[in-house]
Amino acid sequence: AQRVTQPEKLLSVFKGAPVELKCNYSYSGSPELFWYVQYSRQRLQLLLRHISRESIKGFTADLNKGETSFHLKKPFAQEEDSAMYYCALSIYFNKFYFGSGTKLNVKP
Amino acid sequence: DTGVSQNPRHKITKRGQNVTFRCDPISEHNRLYWYRQTLGQGPEFLTYFQNEAQLEKSRLLSDRFSAERPKGSFSTLEIQRTEQGDSAMYLCASSSKIAGGDPDTQYFGPGTRLTVL
Repeated sequence: AQRVTQPEKLLSVFKGAPVELKCNYSYSGSPELFWYVQYSRQRLQLLLRHISRESIKGFTADLNKGETSFHLKKPFAQEEDSAMYYCALSIYFNKFYFGSGTKLNVKP
Repeated sequence: DTGVSQNPRHKITKRGQNVTFRCDPISEHNRLYWYRQTLGQGPEFLTYFQNEAQLEKSRLLSDRFSAERPKGSFSTLEIQRTEQGDSAMYLCASSSKIAGGDPDTQYFGPGTRLTVL
C-alpha cells in the first residue's frame, strides 16, 4: 500500500539555521512527489515537486529512490518559513497521498 | 477568477442528517479532487474527477458518501446519515493539463468544516 511518512510533527529552529523536513514513502512504482505548504490562515498550496527539480523560496528536495525519501531542505531558515509542510505522493495524478505534516517553527 | 471556492465554509448538523457541499474549481480546470482532513492529519484522498467522469474513489469512502460533477464544472459532495466521525474539514482542489496552465498543480479551496453533533 502507498504511504507517506513524516516522522516529525514539530520542528523548531532558529532563524538562519539549516532546515530539513523528512519525508519517506512506500510505493512500488515510479512516484511523483510533492511538497505542499500551508501558512497560517491560508490555503494549502504547492511548494515544489520533484520532476521540476527547482528551488522555491530557497527550498529544495531531492528524490532518493534507494532510501525512498524526499526530504525538504533549506540552508538558512527565515521566520516567514513558519508553516505546516506536507509531503505528498501521486499516482498518475489521479490519486494523492499526503503525510501527516510537519509544523515548522522558525524562532527569531 | 479568484481560485477554487467552496460552500458553505462551515456546516453544523445533527447526527443522521444529510449534508451537501459544493466546490467551484478554477475555470476550465478539468481535474477535480475531494479530500477530507481531520485534526493533526494530512489531507486524505476521497475521489477524483476528470471532466464529468469520476475516475477514482477511495476504498475508505463508505456508501454514505457520493460525489458528482454533472457538467464537468462544479462538483458536489454529499454525506448521507452523518456520523460524528464525519466531522472534519472537506477540501476541494482542481488542476489542469490544458496548454497554458501549470500542469498538474493542484489549487486548493478554503475547505468546508463539518461538525456533526
